[in-house]
Amino acid sequence: AQKITQTQPGMFVQEKEAVTLDCTYDTSDPSYGLFWYKQPSSGEMIFLIYQGSYDQQNATEGRYSLNFQKARKSANLVISASQLGDSAMYFCAIPYMFSGGYNKLIFGAGTRLAVHP
Amino acid sequence: EAGVTQFPSHSVIEKGQTVTLRCDPISGHDNLYWYRRVMGKEIKFLLHFVKESKQDESGMPNNRFLAERTGGTYSTLKVQPAELEDSGVYFCASSQEEVAGGFPSYNEQFFGPGTRLTVL
Repeated sequence: AQKITQTQPGMFVQEKEAVTLDCTYDTSDPSYGLFWYKQPSSGEMIFLIYQGSYDQQNATEGRYSLNFQKARKSANLVISASQLGDSAMYFCAIPYMFSGGYNKLIFGAGTRLAVHP
Repeated sequence: EAGVTQFPSHSVIEKGQTVTLRCDPISGHDNLYWYRRVMGKEIKFLLHFVKESKQDESGMPNNRFLAERTGGTYSTLKVQPAELEDSGVYFCASSQEEVAGGFPSYNEQFFGPGTRLTVL
C-alpha cells in the first residue's frame, strides 16, 4: 500500500531564502506520481507541482521545484526566494492505484511553513 | 471556468443532528472525491465517484455517512446522526476522466475550499 511520510511538522524560513520540505514515500507500483499541495490559512487546497516517476528531469513550476530521488523514494519540495504568502500547510500526496487506474490521493501529515520577514 | 465549490463553508451542529454537505465539481469532470481532515491529522480519503457510480467508498468511516451523486453532477455527503469525532474539514475534489493503461496519467485533482464542520 502507498504511504507518504512528512517528518517536519513545522518549518520556518526567512523571507527571500530557500526552504526544502521533506517527503518520502512507499509504493510497490512500478510507475507512479507525486503531488504537492498548499493549504493557506483560508483553507483551500492549491495544487503546486507534480512529478512522474518516469520523468527524466525534476519538475519545476516557477519558484517551486522537486528534488526527486527515486532510489531514496524521496520527493522534497524546494521553494526558492520565500515570500510571506508562502506561509501555509504543505502536503505531499501519491495516487493510489485501483482497478488499473488511479483514484484517491494518499496524503502525508503535512508541514506547516512559516515565513518570517 | 468555475472551480470546485462547496456549501456550506462552515457548519456548527449539535451531536445527534443531521448535516448535509454539498459539492459542485468542475463542469465535465467525471471523477469526484470526498476527503476529510480531522484537526491535526492527515487528510483522509472518504470516497470516489465516477459519474454517478461509487467507484471506491473504502474510506467512509461508518454507516452514519451517506454520499450521493445524482445524475453525475453535484454530490452530497450526509452525516446522520453527527458525532463529536465527525468534526473536521471536508474537502471535495474533481478531476477529468482517467486515462487507462500505460504510464501513470497526470489527472490533477482540483480541490474545493472545504466545509468546516463542528459538532458540539
